[in-house]
Amino acid sequence: TQLLEQSPQFLSIQEGENLTVYCNSSSVFSSLQWYRQEPGEGPVLLVTVVTGGEVKKLKRLTFQFGDARKDSSLHITAAQPGDTGLYLCAGAHGQNFVFGPGTRLSVLP
Amino acid sequence: EAGVAQSPRYKIIEKRQSVAFWCNPISGHATLYWYQQILGQGPKLLIQFQNNGVVDDSQLPKDRFSAERLKGVDSTLKIQPAKLEDSAVYLCASSIEWGQNEKLFFGSGTQLSVL
Repeated sequence: TQLLEQSPQFLSIQEGENLTVYCNSSSVFSSLQWYRQEPGEGPVLLVTVVTGGEVKKLKRLTFQFGDARKDSSLHITAAQPGDTGLYLCAGAHGQNFVFGPGTRLSVLP
Repeated sequence: EAGVAQSPRYKIIEKRQSVAFWCNPISGHATLYWYQQILGQGPKLLIQFQNNGVVDDSQLPKDRFSAERLKGVDSTLKIQPAKLEDSAVYLCASSIEWGQNEKLFFGSGTQLSVL
């Protein structure tokens, strides 16, 4: 059983479209992180959210932490081919981070 | 700043053989993690070190996997004997310390294929 679920599993869109991906759990996390992983590379941290209801923006990416700190969303505005990759959420669990299965995003030019 | 270094990048072995992976974390990072990422899944923590002590190895299959971090710097992860289901990317990560807001820096991983 996955501690973190992510949806959708796969997403293929055209350049310029907007999209939202989700990270859900029945557990409460003290913090949640989003990573992007490109083929053949390790994940790279995008953001850490800590407070319930917190919203953080990183250029065209908007991250939100749910009020109950059990879920999070990532919204991308005007997606570009460079946004292509595997988006992973990770929740602080005990003394380490637990990762979700990821959403694989493909942005077509 | 140099990143997390891992070697080898790729390894192909037959089942029941042994294999070892090496990781050199970012200088000064006290916490080191080994993750296993099976194709189509997110990374799963195998073991976490704080300096040269083990913090969490609850998901490490100890009958075949072992890891050490002598002197609290470099680390090696060994599989002996390997099984088909061990085929995965093995990621090493490091952070300055453990903390809920800590940033994990990942290496590029070692892709293991067990035939």
